[in-house]
Amino acid sequence: DTGVSQDPRHKITKRGQNVTFRCDPISEHNRLYWYRQTLGQGPEFLTYFQNEAQLEKSRLLSDRFSAERPKGSFSTLEIQRTEQGDSAMYLCASSLAGGSPEQYFGPGTRLTVT
Amino acid sequence: AQTVTQSQPEMSVQEAETVTLSCTYDTSENNYYLFWYKQPPSRQMILVIRQEAYKQQNATENRFSVNFQKAAKSFSLKISDSQLGDTAMYFCAFCLYSGAGSYQLTFGKGTKLSVIP
Repeated sequence: DTGVSQDPRHKITKRGQNVTFRCDPISEHNRLYWYRQTLGQGPEFLTYFQNEAQLEKSRLLSDRFSAERPKGSFSTLEIQRTEQGDSAMYLCASSLAGGSPEQYFGPGTRLTVT
Repeated sequence: AQTVTQSQPEMSVQEAETVTLSCTYDTSENNYYLFWYKQPPSRQMILVIRQEAYKQQNATENRFSVNFQKAAKSFSLKISDSQLGDTAMYFCAFCLYSGAGSYQLTFGKGTKLSVIP
């Protein structure tokens, strides 16, 4: 399977704990995006990487959130001191720079904070 | 900021019939893209169709077609010969080049489509 993959698919954590999610984009895609989707809503943009550079961050990305893409391949999204309001589906998408703007999504990581 | 409105939270259609999902958006930009994505239950989001704002011709992909009205800022999706596998949430998305290298997507809240056998 050469699509976007995300790990884990589900994560249950207690309030105050730290969590980290991983995204592996389509191999030749150098653009990588993170989105958050809450129940009954469409996805909302969080942050964008081109290769290893984080070029854009949404105001939704509080200082408890940090994202990295150290070698320009996979990316991680860490949430520190989780809150119940962080419960959501975290989606990763990738696309090819210089190509068409379509983004290809992974299956998401569903986070539940208890 | 761009906004996307999908005014139909839920819709249903009989198998083999045609259904149209509505989407309106608000922007002051002239060059952008519009997409419809499909999110089946417990499965990942799949691109259905795309439309470039500079193209007057409506996009089609097999049983899926759009009615793009740029002046009215309307972008509806028509699904012909509906199949059970079309049951999903459908999201309309507005896409704008940000200038920093990204194409940011702004999504509507979605329309839940059920295809009835």
